[in-house]
Amino acid sequence: QSALTQPASLSGSPGQSITISCTGTTSDVGSYNLVSWYQHHPGKAPKLMIYQVSKRPSGVSDRFSGSKSGNTASLTISGLQAEDEAEYHCCSYAIGSTVVFGGGTKLTVL
Amino acid sequence: EVQVVESGGGLIQPGGSLRLSCAASGFSFRSYAMNWVRQAPGKGLEWVSGISGDGGRTYYTDSVKGRFTISRDNSKNTLYLQINSLTAEDTAIYCCAKDMGFLVDTASFDHWGLGTLVTVSS
Repeated sequence: QSALTQPASLSGSPGQSITISCTGTTSDVGSYNLVSWYQHHPGKAPKLMIYQVSKRPSGVSDRFSGSKSGNTASLTISGLQAEDEAEYHCCSYAIGSTVVFGGGTKLTVL
Repeated sequence: EVQVVESGGGLIQPGGSLRLSCAASGFSFRSYAMNWVRQAPGKGLEWVSGISGDGGRTYYTDSVKGRFTISRDNSKNTLYLQINSLTAEDTAIYCCAKDMGFLVDTASFDHWGLGTLVTVSS
């Protein structure tokens, strides 16, 4: 049950697009289309942004999109805005009926 | 409005025990699996345990098997986590998270609480 690998930090300017990667293995990301992404602002509850690799919950901006290729999932945020500054966590269902998270990516909007 | 509110955290000595609770409202509690996710200081999120909507199936991450027990009381809309034999590595904010499915097989958590802090220290 090793954690998924995410970059520790990323930055971008308002209006730009950024992509956060999330690399797993054939025991998790590579075997299931059950990858989700969470936005976490300090002091607030994590918010589900993407589920089942690319689906957006009601109310989540279409600036957020998800994809997957092989053992790597990605979250893309287009038209970066100041309020997007947060920590982002990927998550995947894993073999053995478990769930594994990534280490989190701190996104800074310059 | 869906709400989940955790309680029961605190300062506990190594080797001690604690029971965390999560009170849920605003949805059909028995229809959804529930999970506990923790975040240690300076670390990422870690899924700890999940339980199916009827409580019949439970799952744990390897590091807590045999020490933690997840349960739920659907008549009280409450989720529990009994944590025993605590070590410093268990120090974290423990959040409960509502699953999008009845079974613990979606890895999709659509509502979270703010969490309750467990500090293990002598």
